[in-house]
Amino acid sequence: AQSVTQLGSHVSVSEGALVLLRCNYSSSVPPYLFWYVQYPNQGLQLLLKYTSAATLVKGINGFEAEFKKSETSFHLTKPSAHMSDAAEYFCAVILPSGNTPLVFGKGTRLSVIA
Amino acid sequence: EPEVTQTPSHQVTQMGQEVILRCVPISNHLYFYWYRQILGQKVEFLVSFYNNEISEKSEIFDDQFSVERPDGSNFTLKIRSTKLEDSAMYFCASRKATNSPLHFGNGTRLTVT
Repeated sequence: AQSVTQLGSHVSVSEGALVLLRCNYSSSVPPYLFWYVQYPNQGLQLLLKYTSAATLVKGINGFEAEFKKSETSFHLTKPSAHMSDAAEYFCAVILPSGNTPLVFGKGTRLSVIA
Repeated sequence: EPEVTQTPSHQVTQMGQEVILRCVPISNHLYFYWYRQILGQKVEFLVSFYNNEISEKSEIFDDQFSVERPDGSNFTLKIRSTKLEDSAMYFCASRKATNSPLHFGNGTRLTVT
């Protein structure tokens, strides 16, 4: 079964600093990968997705992620953190065919310090 | 942009009571899901639904849970006899096809007292 591991339950960066949130996946076949963001007391918003096209994927709010098959990773980055980026970020994996469920990582809480 | 909508946003119920959580998926979507998130924990899959039947369910989705698509627009999750440990945020999601991303609603916070 597919799974994701998010390293670091809490990441704290200074405003303007690089954001790096780590995600490693495990899957029997090349999967589709997603990052979702959850702001306090809100739902899950799709940030970006990898569905076997370009390995470098750009999302909303200046975030991007790179699919690296050799490292089984899909880390999320943003060059310069903004206060409004403070939220919970979830990496998720799904098999590319069939109606298998989306499986989430445990999430990483991003804090941005002024 | 079309959205998945969930009602109510917050539901408080007493232990042992039945609750129904309601969702209106995006209109041209065919695959429907329920997830839950216990406070401070990860988002967990409950059940998937396609073509008017359950496709897959997790071990969390026991006999106390059921889902229904009573008409062409609503997708409901029923918990027959709530327990304290059912307190969580419940998210509904839908997608158009198996190769497209899930779109989530804003969730219903269920509090069982």
